[in-house]
Amino acid sequence: EEQLVESGGGLVQPGGSLRLSCAASGFTFSSYWMHWVRQAPGKGLVWVSRINSDGTSTSYADSVKGRFTISRDNANNTLYLQMNSLRAEDTAVYYCARDRASRSLNNWFDPWGQGTLVTVSS
Amino acid sequence: EIVLTQSPATLSLSPGERATLSCRASQTITSYLAWYQQKPGQAPRLLIYDAFNRATGVPARFSGSGSGTDFTLTISSLEPEDFAVYYCQQRSNWPLSFGGGTKVEIK
Repeated sequence: EEQLVESGGGLVQPGGSLRLSCAASGFTFSSYWMHWVRQAPGKGLVWVSRINSDGTSTSYADSVKGRFTISRDNANNTLYLQMNSLRAEDTAVYYCARDRASRSLNNWFDPWGQGTLVTVSS
Repeated sequence: EIVLTQSPATLSLSPGERATLSCRASQTITSYLAWYQQKPGQAPRLLIYDAFNRATGVPARFSGSGSGTDFTLTISSLEPEDFAVYYCQQRSNWPLSFGGGTKVEIK
């Protein structure tokens, strides 16, 4: 079964940092682009970042550019999101999601992890 | 940036009824549109991609149509497990964007 499991969320003060992890299993992780998507409480979905299969190409939403860094460890089938200079508006459930197509960029998200909640508050 | 507008915000229907959900793009996105289903407390699930292709395991009662700026997700006969929030998403232009969602609730 293809599975993504996020971890690392929690409560952090404004200006603080947090690193999210996403453990992948059931598929060849190193063959897929990966994404992070977030959802503020009671709100809709917002794409955050993506990374190519070998980690050499990354993209970010303007709202997080310069503050967040996406990376991956293909040897350990794990995706990361390093979040620095956190703001109250970054409060959300963060989902990792696999790109639908293997070995190419599709920008459709399938499957998704269960999400991890990040709360930025003093 | 492409804005996706979903309507209605809420759709109140009974099991067995037909659901028709709309997604309108602020500029043409050809057929680069997907639909996701999200149940309370769960992650979204891909239903439809490239406007009309069903994702793996998605029941045939779900169908997508449209091109250009106007798209429709149709659920031919609602099952109890279909009551959820549905989002559309475009990949035509940067940045990737989602619509605000349509909640399908039990009448």
